[in-house]
Amino acid sequence: AQRVTQPEKLLSVFKGAPVELKCNYSYSGSPELFWYVQYSRQRLQLLLRHISRESIKGFTADLNKGETSFHLKKPFAQEEDSAMYYCALSGYSTLTFGKGTMLLVSP
Amino acid sequence: ETGVTQSPTHLIKTRGQQVTLRCSSQSGHNTVSWYQQALGQGPQFIFQYYREEENGRGNFPPRFSGLQFPNYSSELNVNALELDDSALYLCASSLPTGGAARNYGYTFGSGTRLTVV
Repeated sequence: AQRVTQPEKLLSVFKGAPVELKCNYSYSGSPELFWYVQYSRQRLQLLLRHISRESIKGFTADLNKGETSFHLKKPFAQEEDSAMYYCALSGYSTLTFGKGTMLLVSP
Repeated sequence: ETGVTQSPTHLIKTRGQQVTLRCSSQSGHNTVSWYQQALGQGPQFIFQYYREEENGRGNFPPRFSGLQFPNYSSELNVNALELDDSALYLCASSLPTGGAARNYGYTFGSGTRLTVV
């Protein structure tokens, strides 16, 4: 069975502080992992994919197979980063989501 | 290029009734997945359709059923509605998933907010 755990419901930081949103997964095969973001009153949208090794809006995420983690990081948080963040694991035909972490960035 | 559109945006139904939700996939996407998102939870996978056939199903009872049409649009039907069915129902389209094609991510619609009273 595949499972995604996001241990923090809420992460509150000040503008300019570093951010790390934690994600751990359980999957027997080779995982495909994603971060999705949902800004207030907007639809769920793809933030980044682990296979792309890209940086989107200053966010990066590294897959650590040894620790089965895919934490999302940003060195300097901005107020516009405030949103709900979901880590997701892609199986054969399913996308399994964690429960999400609300990131609040205060001025 | 159009995104994923869902209708209606909001719906109120009575317990025991039946409901049909609709989804048009993003241009070029032939795979549609449906998710249920209860308040405070992440989206939960209901099922996926590819080539008009169900291509995977989550832990939902048979009263949740679906269809995919030749133009790749899709419907989610829920029979005998229960209060716990109240949730945001999300449709997501993608290129075919499975094997090497599952890396592209999904494009989500804005969802249909279903309230069962």
